[in-house]
Amino acid sequence: DIQMTQSPSSLSASVGDRVTITCQASQDIYNYLNWYQQKPGKAPKLLIYDATNLQTGVPSRFSGSGSGTDFTFTISSLQPEDFAIYYCQQYENLPLTFGGGTKVEI
Amino acid sequence: EVQLVESGGGLVQPGGFLRLSCATSGFSVSNNHMTWVRQAPGKGLEWVSSLYSGGNTFYADSVKGRFTISRDFSKNTLYLQMDSLRAEDTAVYYCAKYLGVIQALAHWGQGTLVTVSS
Repeated sequence: DIQMTQSPSSLSASVGDRVTITCQASQDIYNYLNWYQQKPGKAPKLLIYDATNLQTGVPSRFSGSGSGTDFTFTISSLQPEDFAIYYCQQYENLPLTFGGGTKVEI
Repeated sequence: EVQLVESGGGLVQPGGFLRLSCATSGFSVSNNHMTWVRQAPGKGLEWVSSLYSGGNTFYADSVKGRFTISRDFSKNTLYLQMDSLRAEDTAVYYCAKYLGVIQALAHWGQGTLVTVSS
């Protein structure tokens, strides 16, 4: 199985800050990498697919980059509604695997 | 509008069974890849099973031989039959629809809680 290592596991930030989360795959996953946001008691929401593509309706302050084994997710200017847990997910191989999550706190 | 609504969760004893349903609207389960993902209390996301539009099914090792994914075209509903349940199967179970053939989970249900306990 492909292991996905996210860091940090949590971070504290303020409104307006630039936030960066990294995700490292245990093997080459090309660009088969997605990012999700999950708020308490809610289902995850797809933000970025294929490492860099913004899902329809997602604000442009969210972005993704990377390929191979190293990926980055960025929020350019943190908004109050962005406080949540973020997960990466690979689909180069089944089983689909997720990172452990990054909790973005105030 | 794409909608997915799970049902069928509840409290079940170890060794018992449940069938989860995911009623959908706004698209057809017959020509879309679908999946089940679970989340244990306070934990991260874990892929459980997928059913591709062509009918191929896939399972996580942890549920293989115990869970069965299926669909009903006439009801436009996805199912997860869960047998021989264990305490470690306790989780919120989400159904989700892929973004076309890209294995990104673009649409999710609200989740249904399964608790396995005596």
